[in-house]
Amino acid sequence: EPEVTQTPSHQVTQMGQEVILRCVPISNHLYFYWYRQILGQKVEFLVSFYNNEISEKSEIFDDQFSVERPDGSNFTLKIRSTKLEDSAMYFCASSSEHVGGSPLHFGNGTRLTVT
Amino acid sequence: DQQVKQNSPSLSVQEGRISILNCDYTNSMFDYFLWYKKYPAEGPTFLISISSIKDKNEDGRFTVFLNKSAKHLSLHIVPSQPGDSAVYFCAASAFAPGANSKLTFGKGITLSVRP
Repeated sequence: EPEVTQTPSHQVTQMGQEVILRCVPISNHLYFYWYRQILGQKVEFLVSFYNNEISEKSEIFDDQFSVERPDGSNFTLKIRSTKLEDSAMYFCASSSEHVGGSPLHFGNGTRLTVT
Repeated sequence: DQQVKQNSPSLSVQEGRISILNCDYTNSMFDYFLWYKKYPAEGPTFLISISSIKDKNEDGRFTVFLNKSAKHLSLHIVPSQPGDSAVYFCAASAFAPGANSKLTFGKGITLSVRP
């Protein structure tokens, strides 16, 4: 069964450094998402992406965050200057249709630790 | 802002018995509801969904019930198996024309199925 893959599985970085989290969505999917889960808290929406542009973003997704689909297969999340509070599991997801038509399929996540 | 609430943090049931996981929501615009299962070190895995035009959806051992007037849904697992032990997330979305509808998650409930 096709799956969403994320790399790396664990990223440790120092505060203020830039990180790029990578995702390969399911190949025929058109809608892409990033979510995060801070330890012990709920899964939170960050951003959705369709047709090479951001569809919606949450208030968490400030100017330090950006997304890109550089080559038609990868979908990346960049955090320009990491903060301690960015430490979380980051999940990439994709779907073939607009939510309501098909469910989101999630990757196994990247655990980001900011020290 | 807890639009999706899973008030019980954990549930323990005997193998073979029914597991009932509850979820409440506050946003009357939600029209699509999903349940995800999550094992440690993995991403959420889609289980079952229901549209607001239905009150029940069944898939094998899993049944989701929706009570719109009470803004309540529940997931029934019958019979429960030890492999069902995981964290279960309730999620909901509201259709937004021209946008990817984001999922709003509850905090999750940890189900333990005792052999």
